[in-house]
Amino acid sequence: GAGVSQSPSNKVTEKGKDVELRCDPISGHTALYWYRQSLGQGLEFLIYFQGNSAPDKSGLPSDRFSAERTGGSVSTLTIQRTQQEDSAVYLCASSVTGTSGSHEQFFGPGTRLTVL
Amino acid sequence: AQSVAQPEDQVNVAEGNPLTVKCTYSVSGNPYLFWYVQYPNRGLQFLLKYITGDNLVKGSYGFEAEFNKSQTSFHLKKPSALVSDSALYFCAVRDLTGYNFNKFYFGSGTKLNVKP
Repeated sequence: GAGVSQSPSNKVTEKGKDVELRCDPISGHTALYWYRQSLGQGLEFLIYFQGNSAPDKSGLPSDRFSAERTGGSVSTLTIQRTQQEDSAVYLCASSVTGTSGSHEQFFGPGTRLTVL
Repeated sequence: AQSVAQPEDQVNVAEGNPLTVKCTYSVSGNPYLFWYVQYPNRGLQFLLKYITGDNLVKGSYGFEAEFNKSQTSFHLKKPSALVSDSALYFCAVRDLTGYNFNKFYFGSGTKLNVKP
């Protein structure tokens, strides 16, 4: 595809349920990033991948959050036992690795998660 | 620790007046610098970047930014603001050193309000 895609676009779940959020990066982008944004607020870094490995998982808020990336492409962010404070827009971005080519991140449209 | 600061939560300017949105950073080495814009209920869009070369870079929608290495700043500017420029602006830095090579650091965002 031409850009970063995320699914679902909206997710409403009940407290205590598990959710999976998916990100498809731009083809050829080896770096992939997850952020969280509350309404009108800044970006909260969660995790990023270089290929299939995650050099920095420090932003994951708790052990209920996990992410994986397989085949150097699609990534899944999983939230177990969701809480109301997990409600936010989850943004995914991708970029090339290295210093050639485009240098910026390209963002997906986000997944709006609402925990009731 | 690596960080990006946007000291103003909000900037108010009258249409037709020049605008400045401030950004300073604390990242080792010679990082890449970016500005992104987020319109209401929209995703993040890339505005402009500084990689190397001229300190004044021009980007989309008439925006420009000035890189100042000694002050570690990358302020966003526009000579004449439009009401349609009202949005949330994020400064970002891409780390090119060490273990977190390729990680992006974002500022907290500045809400720009342009009044008619």
